[in-house]
Amino acid sequence: NAGVTQTPKFQVLKTGQSMTLQCAQDMNHEYMSWYRQDPGMGLRLIHYSVGAGITDQGEVPNGYNVSRSTTEDFPLRLLSAAPSQTSVYFCASSYPTKRGGETQYFGPGTRLLVL
Amino acid sequence: GDSVTQMEGPVTLSEEAFLTINCTYTATGYPSLFWYVQYPGEGLQLLLKATKADDKGSNKGFEATYRKETTSFHLEKGSVQVSDSAVYFCALYFQGAQKLVFGQGTRLTINP
Repeated sequence: NAGVTQTPKFQVLKTGQSMTLQCAQDMNHEYMSWYRQDPGMGLRLIHYSVGAGITDQGEVPNGYNVSRSTTEDFPLRLLSAAPSQTSVYFCASSYPTKRGGETQYFGPGTRLLVL
Repeated sequence: GDSVTQMEGPVTLSEEAFLTINCTYTATGYPSLFWYVQYPGEGLQLLLKATKADDKGSNKGFEATYRKETTSFHLEKGSVQVSDSAVYFCALYFQGAQKLVFGQGTRLTINP
């Protein structure tokens, strides 16, 4: 299993440009999430999905769109990039358990710089 | 709202020293608690977890006990190694809420 994969690893954008960060998992996990990591702030949830066709907003959703057409893929779209979106983006997946304590599996991250 | 507070870093120790990284949380209800570790240039990976009060999570010599009375989940290791150098994140999770709430992270550096 490759686990959770993300592309690209690094991207530079100009303000106003759009792009899609790709995320895929091969573990058949129902849940997938996008986080951003900023210095001194830990990770913050952007959007998440509990299954194909179902998405919802997290803590910091503004400026980002997501869709979930398949179980495996969960792309994150920046429609008009802003310098405030300079960050490291992590995708994660997990499966629900009745006992709770779901472990999330993280991808290696995408470092985004918006000029 | 729910939140996690970790001791501020960076933390620098010598090899074989005792490690404690403090973590306290504020939450309504009883979340599951986690420690994740991020090695340089990598994503986060689960280090250990506890799903209910008084549970002890352990892995790779690290331990943390879920203390409901003090709302804490402090990370400890008796003898650290250079390879333990990383950023450590404490987090809480509510089943059904579908999200981890992270602390700000603590950077740990171990010198030989």
